[in-house]
Amino acid sequence: EVQLLESGGGLLQPGGSLRLSCAASGFTFSSCGMSWVRQALGKGLEWVSGISTSGGSTYYADSVRGRFTISRDNSKNTLYLQMNSLRAEDTAVYYCAKGATRDGYYFDYWGQGILVAVSS
Amino acid sequence: QLVVTQSPSASASLGASVKLTCTLSSGHSDYAIAWHQQQPEKGPRFLMKVNSDGSHNRGDGIPDRFSGSTSGAERYLTISRLQSEDEADYYCQTWGTAIRVFGGGTKLTVL
Repeated sequence: EVQLLESGGGLLQPGGSLRLSCAASGFTFSSCGMSWVRQALGKGLEWVSGISTSGGSTYYADSVRGRFTISRDNSKNTLYLQMNSLRAEDTAVYYCAKGATRDGYYFDYWGQGILVAVSS
Repeated sequence: QLVVTQSPSASASLGASVKLTCTLSSGHSDYAIAWHQQQPEKGPRFLMKVNSDGSHNRGDGIPDRFSGSTSGAERYLTISRLQSEDEADYYCQTWGTAIRVFGGGTKLTVL
């Protein structure tokens, strides 16, 4: 059974930093592109960042480029999102999403989500 | 610019069928899309991938009441024999090499 378990969320002040983790199991993690997707309260889904199977290629939405860094540790089956210079508009539930293919173009499994709240 | 557009809302009666639409932006009519369902207070769930030729591949455990189709730049999700648990938000998603894009979602109400 595929499982994606996010952790590391919380409440912090603007300008702060946070690292999210996503522990994956039930599939060959190193063979799947992965992404982070977020959802502000009452809003739609917004893709945040994606990463290739090896971690050698990373992709970002314009809204987070230069502030967020995606990475992965295939030996630990874990995906990360380092979030710096956080803003109020980054407040959202963050989902880890498994790519259905090596390219990770679309997602066939989702985590349960973790809340990140940025407020003074 | 790669964009997918959805109607904000739709409704249909219990036991009936409904067809949701996702429209690809100009110049992208040959792109595949994925449909995702999000029930209230839950995380998203993958339903299917719909290709430009209308073929579709459902996710694990997705019943055949859910089907996909294509016409030009439009990608459809048809839900037959509507059940109360089908009341949810439905998102289409497409992609480029370095980008993934979601539509704004369609809120489906089952009457």
